[in-house]
Formats: sequence, structure tokens, C-alpha cells
Amino acid sequence: GQNIDQPTEMTATEGAIVQINCTYQTSGFNGLFWYQQHAGEAPTFLSYNVLDGLEEKGRFSSFLSRSKGYSYLLLKELQMKDSASYLCAVKDSNYQLIWGAGTKLIIKP
Amino acid sequence: SAVISQKPSRDICQRGTSLTIQCQVDSQVTMMFWYRQQPGQSLTLIATANQGSEATYESGFVIDKFPISRPNLTFSTLTVSNMSPEDSSIYLCSVDGGEGTEAFFGQGTRLTVV
Repeated sequence: GQNIDQPTEMTATEGAIVQINCTYQTSGFNGLFWYQQHAGEAPTFLSYNVLDGLEEKGRFSSFLSRSKGYSYLLLKELQMKDSASYLCAVKDSNYQLIWGAGTKLIIKP
Repeated sequence: SAVISQKPSRDICQRGTSLTIQCQVDSQVTMMFWYRQQPGQSLTLIATANQGSEATYESGFVIDKFPISRPNLTFSTLTVSNMSPEDSSIYLCSVDGGEGTEAFFGQGTRLTVV
């Protein structure tokens, strides 16, 4: 079966750095996506990785290792507004999105 | 990119009734996706809506409970039929931006069944 694992919940301090990990086992791979979702809202796109390496976008970076089936999302200079759920999703060989359960990130002052 | 207008944004419904959710996309798309997100859970794909053919349902979801219409390439509806409290969820429609691009979502419909 297809599976995506990420921690259920993480806590970090305002101004700090946090890394959210995602491991996946899917039938094929056509890209990995990270989304942010605030409570009661739709997911919003953060980043996309299809090749190994690091993609940087402002305070957010995402890393991919296809050989290890592993990705992480790195959030720097954390702000209170970063409190949200972070969803990892992989497009499989049929280009269907497989979603992780999401990581709830709690930012403390 | 694609902009999706989804409505209603929220509703409170009596058990046994039905609710139809609409999604309008600002461009023509081949496939539209309908998701359910139960409290504290991730997104679960209900079905894929194709224009001109019947929707393709995922395991655990059936047409009688979640009928879908797709009359043209910019519009789709999902009906939640004969609702029970277990149907209380956020329902989301989505389109795929294509290879190498992200999926786009409607604003979501927060459904509470009492």
C-alpha cells in the first residue's frame, strides 16, 4: 500500500527554527508537495520538490531525498502566524496525490 | 494557476437531509477532485469528477451517498445525501495544476450535521 508518515504534532518557540519530517512509500513518484493549513481553512501551497536537494523560498525550505523516500520542511524565524498544520503529499505513478495526516505545529511565545 | 469558488462555506443541516456543494473554476480543467477532511484528520479523496463521464469513486465512497455532477469543464457539484452526524466534515474541491505544479483548492465547506 501507499503510505506517508509525518509527526502528529510539534511545538516550537517564536523566532526559532523547526524541521518537519515526512517519509513516504508510494507506487511511483512524480513530485512531493508541502501545504500549510490553518484550522477551518483550505490547504495553501508552500513548496514542491521533484529532484533531490533543497528548495528555498523565503523563510521556508524543503528538502527531498528520493532514494530514502524522505523530505523535510524547514521553517526559520518562526512567527505566531506559522501555527498551523503542515501537510506532506506525494504524486504517485498515476499522478494522484497521496496525503500525509499532517503535522500540527504549535508556536509558543 | 486556478481560482476555485466553492459554496456554501459552511452549513448546519438536519440528519436525513441532503446538501449540495458547488465549485466553479476560473478556467477549463479536465478533472476535479472532491475531498473530505474529518476533524483532526488529513484529506481523503472521495471521487474524481470527469466531464462527460461518471465520477470515479474511491474505496469506501459510493455514488448513492455522494452523487457528483460535472456538466462542463469549469463546474462540479457534490451532494452529501441522507446525512448523519458522521458526515460532519470539511469538504474540499480541488483541481490539479498539471505536471510539476501544485493542486489548487476551493475555500472548503464546513458541514455540521445535527
